[in-house]
Amino acid sequence: AQSVTQLDSQVPVFEEAPVELRCNYSSSVSVYLFWYVQYPNQGLQLLLKYLSGSTLVKGINGFEAEFNKSQTSFHLRKPSVHISDTAEYFCAVIPQSGGYNKLIFGAGTRLAVHP
Amino acid sequence: ETGVTQSPTHLIKTRGQQVTLRCSSQSGHNTVSWYQQALGQGPQFIFQYYREEENGRGNFPPRFSGLQFPNYSSELNVNALELDDSALYLCASSAGSTGELFFGEGSRLTVL
Repeated sequence: AQSVTQLDSQVPVFEEAPVELRCNYSSSVSVYLFWYVQYPNQGLQLLLKYLSGSTLVKGINGFEAEFNKSQTSFHLRKPSVHISDTAEYFCAVIPQSGGYNKLIFGAGTRLAVHP
Repeated sequence: ETGVTQSPTHLIKTRGQQVTLRCSSQSGHNTVSWYQQALGQGPQFIFQYYREEENGRGNFPPRFSGLQFPNYSSELNVNALELDDSALYLCASSAGSTGELFFGEGSRLTVL
């Protein structure tokens, strides 16, 4: 079985400051990793994904994440945030050999960007 | 390219009633997944349909059921509604099973 822990439920930050949203996972098998974003009153949108290859992955809107297999982490970073980045961010995993889209999500981190 | 659309966007039901939620998948996608997102939580996988067959299910009782049609659109049916069924129900379509999903905006169900 897999589980995902997002270490911060809320992260307040000022505009143009850097931010890191932390994600740890537990799994007995190899997984693919994802970050999804949910803007108010909307569905989820894929930010970035790690399937294989380079452990540093770049996504949309200037976000990037680094996969660390030894620490089972997949932290999301952005060097300079904007007001429009205010949203709920979800880390998720799926077994590589699962055969279907059973994403396991964390509880989410609410990013609040202040002027 | 048409995205994933869901209907209705909001609905209110009472305990014991039945509800049907609908989803049109993104053009070219043959796989549909349904998720339940309770307030303040991450989405939880209900089930997935591929080519009109259920091919994966999460920890939800049999009163949660679904259908997928030849045009790949889908329905989620919930019988004997309980208060804890109040949630945002998200439909997602994909072209495969690598976890890259395209979500609709959801149907918010309130059970009174």
